[in-house]
Amino acid sequence: GNSVTQMEGPVTLSEEAFLTINCTYTATGYPSLFWYVQYPGEGLQLLLKATKADDKGSNKGFEATYRKETTSFHLEKGSVQVSDSAVYFCALSVSPGGGADGLTFGKGTHLIIQP
Amino acid sequence: DGGITQSPKYLFRKEGQNVTLSCEQNLNHDAMYWYRQDPGQGLRLIYYSQIVNDFQKGDIAEGYSVSREKKESFPLTVTSAQKNPTAFYLCASSNGQGSYEQYFGPGTRLTVT
Repeated sequence: GNSVTQMEGPVTLSEEAFLTINCTYTATGYPSLFWYVQYPGEGLQLLLKATKADDKGSNKGFEATYRKETTSFHLEKGSVQVSDSAVYFCALSVSPGGGADGLTFGKGTHLIIQP
Repeated sequence: DGGITQSPKYLFRKEGQNVTLSCEQNLNHDAMYWYRQDPGQGLRLIYYSQIVNDFQKGDIAEGYSVSREKKESFPLTVTSAQKNPTAFYLCASSNGQGSYEQYFGPGTRLTVT
């Protein structure tokens, strides 16, 4: 089956620090990969995505590169801000041949940025 | 603005009662989903629908029911058979093509006592 594993949290960093949140996956078929962010009490927002090997998704200073050889999609940001404090979810979808039967999510990583 | 709405944001019910959570989208998406979120568990798929008048069970469908009579609407009923209904429920939609990225509503927090 499909699964996503991401580093346990909470991850606590100081403002302007470098961020890496690890994500690895197993998938039957060729997955698309996503990072979602959830602020307290809210739904999930798509942060970035990549649909094929070596693609780099980027948004709001965050980046992640689809690494097929290591089945990874690590999230990085060069300089975090207090406003980046949230829960981050790595996810994948595998729907060859059409159809959309839902995303598989990791358990989420709670990021806390201290001023 | 296009988006997904869920109502209400907070819902309280007594044990043994059925409760229906609303989800509406105006994104013209074909596919809609319901997820349950518990602390430390991530999101788990309850039901999904790829087209009107059709839906499939997800990973944790027991104790839940859905309908999809209109493209825009995908209500979820939490029945009295659901053993641990207290959770945060998220609705999402997708255009059902390409990378299948999903767009989420703001969620409904259900508390059953």
